[in-house]
Amino acid sequence: ETGVTQTPRHLVMGMTNKKSLKCEQHLGHNAMYWYKQSAKKPLELMFVYSLEERVENNSVPSRFSPECPNSSHLFLHLHTLQPEDSALYLCASSRGQPPGTEAFFGQGTRLTVV
Amino acid sequence: DQQVKQNSPSLSVQEGRISILNCDYTNSMFDYFLWYKKYPAEGPTFLISISSIKDKNEDGRFTVFLNKSAKHLSLHIVPSQPGDSAVYFCAAEAGGFKTIFGAGTRLFVKA
Repeated sequence: ETGVTQTPRHLVMGMTNKKSLKCEQHLGHNAMYWYKQSAKKPLELMFVYSLEERVENNSVPSRFSPECPNSSHLFLHLHTLQPEDSALYLCASSRGQPPGTEAFFGQGTRLTVV
Repeated sequence: DQQVKQNSPSLSVQEGRISILNCDYTNSMFDYFLWYKKYPAEGPTFLISISSIKDKNEDGRFTVFLNKSAKHLSLHIVPSQPGDSAVYFCAAEAGGFKTIFGAGTRLFVKA
């Protein structure tokens, strides 16, 4: 248990569906992240929020929409996804500003788009 | 274009021996490097890190070596244990919140 909880753990959705991924941390961290991990590829940073403000947006398609209502919660809203969006989506949090600030990851949501 | 490369997708080592996982990078602006370990069905967990002003950092069985001139770092695990079997990710930071990860190396430690 790392203190970062993601729900759901598994999600299968159709291309026309709308769903949301949820992430929660109770570590008192003030930065939260969404990463995408596709098979045999590096973790790709999607979004970063610091003190509830988006500070990084890595050219992610608009069909992915993040939301950070407070420092403990992070959402990733999904709509009209494509099959190639099937991947493991990881949430992470960290304390303060890098460099050298380790990130604490959740267990991930395995997303399958059909 | 991958700025952090782990060229070995997998590595198999006998229990008790040394495991050496390698990582190369291209961006000379990286100032901090981290290693994460990932078990199946779990998120990555932080293992060890090193600042670019150092060339070695040790924590128990784990040692990370940094060769800045070669833009290369390595993680040594001695002695290797079956519980070390996992995927190891190398990561690098260049300021801000942007951490660049490698694709990972799967380590198998045989009993």
